[in-house]
Amino acid sequence: DAKTTQPPSMDCAEGRAANLPCNHSTISGNEYVYWYRQIHSQGPQYIIHGLKNNETNEMASLIITEDRKSSTLILPHATLRDTAVYYCIVRVEIGGSQGNLIFGKGTKLSVKP
Amino acid sequence: GAVVSQHPSRVICKSGTSVKIECRSLDFQATTMFWYRQFPKQSLMLMATSNEGSKATYEQGVEKDKFLINHASLTLSTLTVTSAHPEDSSFYICSARAASGRENSYNEQFFGPGTRLTVL
Repeated sequence: DAKTTQPPSMDCAEGRAANLPCNHSTISGNEYVYWYRQIHSQGPQYIIHGLKNNETNEMASLIITEDRKSSTLILPHATLRDTAVYYCIVRVEIGGSQGNLIFGKGTKLSVKP
Repeated sequence: GAVVSQHPSRVICKSGTSVKIECRSLDFQATTMFWYRQFPKQSLMLMATSNEGSKATYEQGVEKDKFLINHASLTLSTLTVTSAHPEDSSFYICSARAASGRENSYNEQFFGPGTRLTVL
């Protein structure tokens, strides 16, 4: 699976949009981009995933560049409860078979009042 | 979303004892379960993958005789840390993935809340 690069930490003001970048320059055509987050001392929580089109759900939006070498997770109105470590992961999927979720170091997002 | 539970949530044991951690998928059948370990201020590290009814596949560097994994049913996997030592103290997290179906139309992987093991 391709590796990802994320900034180690970011701050965001409460109520503002949080934009978390991720580089995955070696991503291959059959690899999806997944985002999970982990609030302190809890298990990871799925946020969103995509292949090449932008995606949006009730939690966040995922913007993937046209060349697929980077992506941005957007939390439109960050709250204090969004403070967590955010993991960007690329995972292969071929014919319904998926690779393992391998976690990097992630970005520690601190939402401040 | 689907729910994965772990029991116990926290355990303290003496060095040399064995500890069993249970992972259950509460509202779906998990054909594949994963066990991760997380040391303080570090990321999750995949320990092993297990499919129901077959032997677990361990990641490089993980001792299969020390970390016994049983995935006897589609809703239950157990991790037994045998002869635990202080260096085994960690946060153990399980994860479950269902076969294609209602809960898993895009093969989402659900995580449990974790078990904090402290070996004295």
